[in-house]
Amino acid sequence: GAGVSQSPRYKVAKRGQDVALRCDPISGHVSLFWYQQALGQGPEFLTYFQNEAQLDKSGLPSDRFFAERPEGSVSTLKIQRTQQEDSAVYLCASSLIGVSYNEQFFGPGTRLTVL
Amino acid sequence: EDQVTQSPEALRLQEGESSSLNCSYTVSGLRGLFWYRQDPGKGPEFLFTLYSAGEEKEKERLKATLTKKESFLHITAPKPEDSATYLCAVIKAAGNKLTFGGGTRVLVKP
Repeated sequence: GAGVSQSPRYKVAKRGQDVALRCDPISGHVSLFWYQQALGQGPEFLTYFQNEAQLDKSGLPSDRFFAERPEGSVSTLKIQRTQQEDSAVYLCASSLIGVSYNEQFFGPGTRLTVL
Repeated sequence: EDQVTQSPEALRLQEGESSSLNCSYTVSGLRGLFWYRQDPGKGPEFLFTLYSAGEEKEKERLKATLTKKESFLHITAPKPEDSATYLCAVIKAAGNKLTFGGGTRVLVKP
């Protein structure tokens, strides 16, 4: 596709449910990033992949958060036993080469609401 | 700890009223400073990357500048379509993640 796509765009979960958020990066992009954006705030880094390797997961807030990119393309962010504080927009970004300062292209995000 | 602070938090402008947004940063070894625009319900859209103090970049009514401690985004003669949240972010040397500021919400009234 022309840009980064994410699905679903909106997700409502009951507290305690597991959710899975999908990211399709721009074709050929080596690097993939997940960010969390609370209402009225700037995005915060969660994790980073270069191809299928997860090189940095320092931003994942708890062990309930898990991300994977098994074939170096599509990525899934999974949140287990969701809590209300997990409510946020989850943004995925990709960049062409595996160098940190290259431009990151963002998807539209998935808005997660935990009731 | 890396820190990025944007001011003001919100800015209301009349169409044609030029202004500047500030992004102050504290980072050990800046690799690059990024400006993004974000519209409601959408992901951030890339505007500029600045790499070294003294660098300037322009795009339509927007001009970004960089010093050793801060960056400015100048909006010249804004139009209503420039209304958005403007985000500043940094990447430090040997790093890979963007560290964002809180953003400045700009509203341009006709």
